[in-house]
Amino acid sequence: AQKITQTQPGMFVQEKEAVTLDCTYDTSDPSYGLFWYKQPSSGEMIFLIYQGSYDQQNATEGRYSLNFQKARKSANLVISASQLGDSAMYFCAMRGRNTDKLIFGTGTRLQVFP
Amino acid sequence: GAVVSQHPSRVICKSGTSVKIECRSLDFQATTMFWYRQFPKKSLMLMATSNEGSKATYEQGVEKDKFLINHASLTLSTLTVTSAHPEDSSFYICSAREAGLTDTQYFGPGTRLTVL
Repeated sequence: AQKITQTQPGMFVQEKEAVTLDCTYDTSDPSYGLFWYKQPSSGEMIFLIYQGSYDQQNATEGRYSLNFQKARKSANLVISASQLGDSAMYFCAMRGRNTDKLIFGTGTRLQVFP
Repeated sequence: GAVVSQHPSRVICKSGTSVKIECRSLDFQATTMFWYRQFPKKSLMLMATSNEGSKATYEQGVEKDKFLINHASLTLSTLTVTSAHPEDSSFYICSAREAGLTDTQYFGPGTRLTVL
């Protein structure tokens, strides 16, 4: 069975600092994809970044980077130079091989303070 | 990224009535769309997978006759909550899968349903 674990229910970070949001996963599929989404208070789920299990390099998208450690089955999201607008819920998700379904973690609420 | 719209954003209805929610992919074709339900401060719960031109695939525990899904075209899926009751009040959010290297799901802005 596939499972995503986010152990941090809440995180605080000061503006302009970097923050790491943890995500570990469990799967028996040899091929899978990992996703991070941001959900602000408005409710919309915003796609941030994708990492494929066979990707050699860690994914990066602007201020977002994914610290992918395959042996540890972790896919932590790193946000650099935090901004007040980064305050939101962040969900880690995984899609296994031969499936369309996304399995979501329980989320981490990030609060950025001035 | 790809854009998905959802309408309405909020709806309040009386118990016993039916409510239709639309999900559209605006700039790409989506053979597969998904419907989720989210309770306050909880993660997303997949309700069903909507396939264009065929019947939806429902997750275990989701009533097919209660939550009717129609995927009429490559850009439109609808969710109808039939005979709504207060316990159906929730945040409903759809996503559309953009076929490609990553098959990323892009989400709509969600619909907050309140049943009185």
